[in-house]
Amino acid sequence: DGGITQSPKYLFRKEGQNVTLSCEQNLNHDAMYWYRQDPGQGLRLIYYSQIVNDFQKGDIAEGYSVSREKKESFPLTVTSAQKNPTAFYLCASSSLQGLPGAFFGQGTRLTVV
Amino acid sequence: DAKTTQPPSMDCAEGRAANLPCNHSTISGNEYVYWYRQIHSQGPQYIIHGLKNNETNEMASLIITEDRKSSTLILPHATLRDTAVYYCIVRGGHGSGNTGKLIFGQGTTLQVKP
Repeated sequence: DGGITQSPKYLFRKEGQNVTLSCEQNLNHDAMYWYRQDPGQGLRLIYYSQIVNDFQKGDIAEGYSVSREKKESFPLTVTSAQKNPTAFYLCASSSLQGLPGAFFGQGTRLTVV
Repeated sequence: DAKTTQPPSMDCAEGRAANLPCNHSTISGNEYVYWYRQIHSQGPQYIIHGLKNNETNEMASLIITEDRKSSTLILPHATLRDTAVYYCIVRGGHGSGNTGKLIFGQGTTLQVKP
């Protein structure tokens, strides 16, 4: 089955540690996205990539880093520089044209203690 | 990238049609209107999209005004499982002057009541 997979579903880390969230898709999509969602809020764009080895900052990129070495994979690293990393993180992919729509993973809930 | 405006919340009686409005007055000619919904603690789910014409699929209907400055998502017979946050987004394709960003607003929280 084609789809987009995020892992793990729940993640706990100590403050000051970097953590990498995985996102893999087998939909042959060129574009991939990372979003952050806080309780009761909408999705905010962290980074997006439209092609391998290229990515652009979204609205809240500070404290995060990404790589796009393969078309299928777009991992997100939450660094120690991110002041409030505890959140729900969502990954998505789409065709370059955006049609018919973006597909989302089920999300990773990161808790930093 | 055009912005969208949606009411923060709406209620609908179970079995009735739910009509969710969206304003996108700055939409450009090559931008599509998309609707997604998000059920609590899950990833958003694509519902429907359109450019100019009205569209219908197994989930919903999309009515776009002639000037394309607004649209309405219609859930014809709302059920309790349709309770979710509904997002309206406008976006063009790559290479059409669009940045490629997929920007979500705050959406409309639809509460379907028995």
